[in-house]
Amino acid sequence: AQSVSQHNHHVILSEAASLELGCNYSYGGTVNLFWYVQYPGQHLQLLLKYFSGDPLVKGIKGFEAEFIKSKFSFNLRKPSVQWSDTAEYFCAVVSNYGQNFVFGPGTRLSVLP
Amino acid sequence: DTGVSQDPRHKITKRGQNVTFRCDPISEHNRLYWYRQTLGQGPEFLTYFQNEAQLEKSRLLSDRFSAERPKGSFSTLEIQRTEQGDSAMYLCASSLAGAEAFFGQGTRLTVV
Repeated sequence: AQSVSQHNHHVILSEAASLELGCNYSYGGTVNLFWYVQYPGQHLQLLLKYFSGDPLVKGIKGFEAEFIKSKFSFNLRKPSVQWSDTAEYFCAVVSNYGQNFVFGPGTRLSVLP
Repeated sequence: DTGVSQDPRHKITKRGQNVTFRCDPISEHNRLYWYRQTLGQGPEFLTYFQNEAQLEKSRLLSDRFSAERPKGSFSTLEIQRTEQGDSAMYLCASSLAGAEAFFGQGTRLTVV
Protein backbone atom coordinates (compact mmCIF):
# COMPACT_ATOMS: atom_id res chain seq x y z
CA ALA A 1 0.00 0.00 0.00
CA GLN A 2 1.09 3.52 -0.69
CA SER A 3 2.14 5.69 2.22
CA VAL A 4 3.34 9.24 2.66
CA SER A 5 5.56 10.44 5.48
CA GLN A 6 6.28 13.99 6.53
CA HIS A 7 9.41 14.54 8.53
CA ASN A 8 8.29 17.19 10.95
CA HIS A 9 5.16 17.29 13.07
CA HIS A 10 5.51 20.92 14.14
CA VAL A 11 7.89 23.57 12.83
CA ILE A 12 8.31 26.96 14.48
CA LEU A 13 10.05 29.75 12.56
CA SER A 14 10.50 33.47 12.82
CA GLU A 15 9.34 35.71 9.99
CA ALA A 16 11.82 35.91 7.08
CA ALA A 17 13.34 32.53 7.93
CA SER A 18 13.64 29.94 5.18
CA LEU A 19 11.37 26.91 5.18
CA GLU A 20 11.82 23.35 4.03
CA LEU A 21 9.24 20.68 4.81
CA GLY A 22 10.07 17.10 3.99
CA CYS A 23 7.81 14.60 2.24
CA ASN A 24 8.59 11.03 1.22
CA TYR A 25 6.32 8.47 -0.38
CA SER A 26 6.53 4.72 -0.69
CA TYR A 27 5.22 3.93 -4.17
CA GLY A 28 7.81 3.10 -6.84
CA GLY A 29 5.81 3.71 -10.01
CA THR A 30 4.59 6.83 -11.73
CA VAL A 31 3.11 9.33 -9.31
CA ASN A 32 1.47 12.72 -9.24
CA LEU A 33 2.47 14.79 -6.24
CA PHE A 34 0.75 17.62 -4.39
CA TRP A 35 1.14 19.97 -1.48
CA TYR A 36 -2.02 21.23 0.17
CA VAL A 37 -2.33 23.89 2.86
CA GLN A 38 -5.01 24.25 5.51
CA TYR A 39 -5.17 27.66 7.18
CA PRO A 40 -6.86 27.78 10.59
CA GLY A 41 -10.60 27.24 10.17
CA GLN A 42 -10.40 26.89 6.40
CA HIS A 43 -10.62 24.10 3.86
CA LEU A 44 -7.70 22.34 2.21
CA GLN A 45 -6.26 24.37 -0.67
CA LEU A 46 -3.79 23.36 -3.35
CA LEU A 47 -0.36 24.98 -3.06
CA LEU A 48 1.33 23.24 -5.97
CA LYS A 49 1.39 20.05 -8.00
CA TYR A 50 3.78 17.90 -10.00
CA PHE A 51 2.66 15.69 -12.85
CA SER A 52 5.68 15.50 -15.15
CA GLY A 53 8.47 17.60 -16.66
CA ASP A 54 10.63 20.02 -14.70
CA PRO A 55 11.05 18.50 -11.22
CA LEU A 56 11.17 21.96 -9.66
CA VAL A 57 7.63 23.28 -9.50
CA LYS A 58 6.44 26.66 -8.37
CA GLY A 59 3.17 27.25 -6.61
CA ILE A 60 1.21 30.06 -5.10
CA LYS A 61 2.45 32.48 -2.43
CA GLY A 62 6.13 31.95 -3.24
CA PHE A 63 6.21 28.23 -2.46
CA GLU A 64 8.13 25.73 -4.55
CA ALA A 65 8.81 22.01 -4.35
CA GLU A 66 11.38 19.68 -5.85
CA PHE A 67 10.62 16.15 -6.97
CA ILE A 68 13.62 13.83 -6.53
CA LYS A 69 12.59 10.49 -7.97
CA SER A 70 15.63 8.59 -6.68
CA LYS A 71 14.82 9.67 -3.14
CA PHE A 72 11.03 9.32 -3.44
CA SER A 73 10.84 12.85 -2.09
CA PHE A 74 8.87 16.00 -2.80
CA ASN A 75 10.06 18.63 -0.34
CA LEU A 76 8.35 21.98 0.00
CA ARG A 77 10.38 25.18 0.25
CA LYS A 78 9.92 28.89 0.72
CA PRO A 79 12.87 31.30 0.97
CA SER A 80 11.23 33.71 3.42
CA VAL A 81 8.14 32.87 5.45
CA GLN A 82 5.52 35.31 6.64
CA TRP A 83 3.26 35.23 9.68
CA SER A 84 0.37 34.52 7.29
CA ASP A 85 2.00 31.19 6.32
CA THR A 86 1.00 29.79 9.70
CA ALA A 87 -1.02 26.72 8.74
CA GLU A 88 -0.99 22.94 8.41
CA TYR A 89 0.76 21.57 5.32
CA PHE A 90 -0.08 18.21 3.77
CA CYS A 91 1.80 16.27 1.13
CA ALA A 92 -0.30 13.97 -1.07
CA VAL A 93 0.40 11.35 -3.72
CA VAL A 94 -1.69 9.76 -6.44
CA SER A 95 -0.19 6.77 -8.20
CA ASN A 96 -1.14 5.29 -11.53
CA TYR A 97 -2.14 2.13 -9.61
CA GLY A 98 -4.62 3.59 -7.15
CA GLN A 99 -6.65 6.60 -8.08
CA ASN A 100 -7.22 8.11 -4.67
CA PHE A 101 -5.11 10.79 -3.01
CA VAL A 102 -2.95 9.44 -0.18
CA PHE A 103 -2.08 12.13 2.34
CA GLY A 104 0.74 12.44 4.81
CA PRO A 105 0.06 13.21 8.48
CA GLY A 106 0.74 16.91 8.01
CA THR A 107 3.23 19.42 9.36
CA ARG A 108 2.03 22.30 11.47
CA LEU A 109 3.93 25.50 10.72
CA SER A 110 3.90 28.33 13.23
CA VAL A 111 5.52 31.58 12.12
CA LEU A 112 6.33 34.03 14.89
CA PRO A 113 5.96 37.74 14.07
CA ASP B 1 -15.79 29.86 -2.24
CA THR B 2 -14.26 26.48 -3.10
CA GLY B 3 -16.96 25.27 -5.45
CA VAL B 4 -17.43 22.06 -3.44
CA SER B 5 -20.31 22.39 -1.00
CA GLN B 6 -20.96 20.19 1.99
CA ASP B 7 -24.02 20.10 4.18
CA PRO B 8 -24.39 20.29 7.11
CA ARG B 9 -21.25 22.01 8.38
CA HIS B 10 -21.74 20.63 11.87
CA LYS B 11 -23.71 17.67 13.17
CA ILE B 12 -24.13 16.54 16.76
CA THR B 13 -25.82 13.20 17.20
CA LYS B 14 -26.41 10.68 19.91
CA ARG B 15 -24.63 7.36 19.78
CA GLY B 16 -26.64 4.81 17.83
CA GLN B 17 -28.38 7.33 15.59
CA ASN B 18 -27.98 7.43 11.81
CA VAL B 19 -26.57 10.49 10.07
CA THR B 20 -26.34 11.51 6.42
CA PHE B 21 -24.06 14.08 4.86
CA ARG B 22 -24.35 15.64 1.44
CA CYS B 23 -21.66 16.82 -0.97
CA ASP B 24 -22.18 18.87 -4.11
CA PRO B 25 -19.03 18.75 -6.27
CA ILE B 26 -17.83 21.21 -8.86
CA SER B 27 -20.28 20.60 -11.67
CA GLU B 28 -17.93 19.41 -14.42
CA HIS B 29 -15.89 17.12 -12.15
CA ASN B 30 -16.42 13.41 -12.77
CA ARG B 31 -14.57 12.20 -9.67
CA LEU B 32 -15.81 12.61 -6.14
CA TYR B 33 -13.96 11.55 -2.99
CA TRP B 34 -14.83 11.18 0.67
CA TYR B 35 -12.17 11.50 3.36
CA ARG B 36 -12.18 11.54 7.15
CA GLN B 37 -9.87 13.77 9.16
CA THR B 38 -9.26 13.74 12.91
CA LEU B 39 -7.38 16.34 14.89
CA GLY B 40 -3.69 16.42 14.08
CA GLN B 41 -3.96 13.86 11.30
CA GLY B 42 -4.00 13.98 7.55
CA PRO B 43 -7.14 13.14 5.60
CA GLU B 44 -7.84 9.40 5.46
CA PHE B 45 -9.38 8.04 2.29
CA LEU B 46 -12.84 6.50 2.60
CA THR B 47 -14.20 6.05 -0.92
CA TYR B 48 -14.37 7.57 -4.37
CA PHE B 49 -16.69 7.68 -7.35
CA GLN B 50 -16.13 8.15 -11.03
CA ASN B 51 -19.43 9.48 -12.27
CA GLU B 52 -22.02 7.29 -10.51
CA ALA B 53 -19.76 4.26 -10.07
CA GLN B 54 -18.16 3.69 -6.68
CA LEU B 55 -14.70 2.47 -7.73
CA GLU B 56 -12.80 2.09 -4.49
CA LYS B 57 -13.56 1.73 -0.80
CA SER B 58 -11.12 1.86 2.08
CA ARG B 59 -10.97 -0.78 4.80
CA LEU B 60 -11.91 2.12 7.09
CA LEU B 61 -15.36 2.07 5.52
CA SER B 62 -17.11 -0.46 7.72
CA ASP B 63 -20.52 -1.91 6.86
CA ARG B 64 -22.09 0.93 8.89
CA PHE B 65 -20.93 3.39 6.24
CA SER B 66 -22.50 3.72 2.83
CA ALA B 67 -22.01 6.26 0.08
CA GLU B 68 -23.96 6.97 -3.06
CA ARG B 69 -23.67 9.24 -6.03
CA PRO B 70 -26.89 8.89 -7.98
CA LYS B 71 -26.71 10.23 -11.53
CA GLY B 72 -23.07 11.15 -11.03
CA SER B 73 -23.84 14.50 -9.46
CA PHE B 74 -24.14 15.07 -5.69
CA SER B 75 -23.12 12.39 -3.22
CA THR B 76 -24.33 11.30 0.20
CA LEU B 77 -22.43 9.56 2.96
CA GLU B 78 -24.52 7.76 5.55
CA ILE B 79 -23.29 6.41 8.85
CA GLN B 80 -25.63 4.00 10.61
CA ARG B 81 -25.60 3.29 14.35
CA THR B 82 -23.01 5.98 15.02
CA GLU B 83 -20.26 5.36 17.56
CA GLN B 84 -18.11 7.85 19.45
CA GLY B 85 -15.16 6.81 17.33
CA ASP B 86 -16.97 8.17 14.28
CA SER B 87 -16.49 11.72 15.58
CA ALA B 88 -14.35 13.46 12.98
CA MET B 89 -14.36 15.94 10.12
CA TYR B 90 -15.77 14.35 6.96
CA LEU B 91 -14.31 15.91 3.83
CA CYS B 92 -15.57 15.75 0.29
CA ALA B 93 -13.44 16.56 -2.74
CA SER B 94 -13.94 16.50 -6.47
CA SER B 95 -11.67 16.45 -9.49
CA LEU B 96 -11.38 15.77 -13.15
CA ALA B 97 -9.70 12.43 -13.84
CA GLY B 98 -5.94 12.78 -13.39
CA ALA B 99 -6.09 16.31 -11.98
CA GLU B 100 -5.88 17.90 -8.56
CA ALA B 101 -8.71 17.59 -6.06
CA PHE B 102 -10.73 20.51 -4.74
CA PHE B 103 -12.00 20.17 -1.21
CA GLY B 104 -15.12 21.36 0.54
CA GLN B 105 -15.28 22.90 3.99
CA GLY B 106 -16.15 19.58 5.57
CA THR B 107 -18.86 18.33 7.93
CA ARG B 108 -17.81 18.09 11.57
CA LEU B 109 -19.53 15.16 13.25
CA THR B 110 -19.70 14.89 17.03
CA VAL B 111 -21.17 11.71 18.49
CA VAL B 112 -22.21 12.09 22.13
